[in-house]
Amino acid sequence: RKEVEQDPGPFNVPEGATVAFNCTYSNSASQSFFWYRQDCRKEPKLLMSVYSSGNEDGRFTAQLNRASQYISLLIRDSKLSDSATYLCAVNMKNSGYALNFGKGTSLLVTP
Amino acid sequence: DAGITQSPRHKVTETGTPVTLRCHQTENHRYMYWYRQDPGHGLRLIHYSYGVKDTDKGEVSDGYSVSRSKTEDFLLTLESATSSQTSVYFCAISETVDRGGTEAFFGQGTRLTVV
Repeated sequence: RKEVEQDPGPFNVPEGATVAFNCTYSNSASQSFFWYRQDCRKEPKLLMSVYSSGNEDGRFTAQLNRASQYISLLIRDSKLSDSATYLCAVNMKNSGYALNFGKGTSLLVTP
Repeated sequence: DAGITQSPRHKVTETGTPVTLRCHQTENHRYMYWYRQDPGHGLRLIHYSYGVKDTDKGEVSDGYSVSRSKTEDFLLTLESATSSQTSVYFCAISETVDRGGTEAFFGQGTRLTVV
């Protein structure tokens, strides 16, 4: 079983919709959690770090549930430009702050 | 912009040849990483470095070696390239953030094809 798991999608949503992604992780000792956005044939770009209390950045809200070992990303009022793959990442144990990534969830926002 | 440059950006090489990919950073970060990304597998850690001459293996290190003789450069070498090493390779650095902990930033990637 992979340490970080995501629903691969694709999620096809109309503009203006709200969409939520979940990610589960298996290492209960993990301390750091992130969401990355990756456009086709580009590098992953940090979208949000996920804090214990949950955090919001404009239309994006990230939440952490340590008891159930999952993190979530909510995108409100989806834009065409939100179309991308969203990667969940969790820090590895004993690997110099390296990250374990999920395989990504594909989002397509349509007009 | 985390100041990370990868070279080359694209390379086609033949099976059995050695290949070296370079990652260069301009901001004196201690931690550097090499990942590969493949369809169906996502990003996987190959090797990482926690300082000059200090490196360690990641999840998929077989067939790869690394070197870090200067803070700013982290080299990934495929000693004898195989078709299974056709992939997109990303270098990353880890940056300490004010709230504690670190955040990772990636280079633009190197697309390697082994024929």
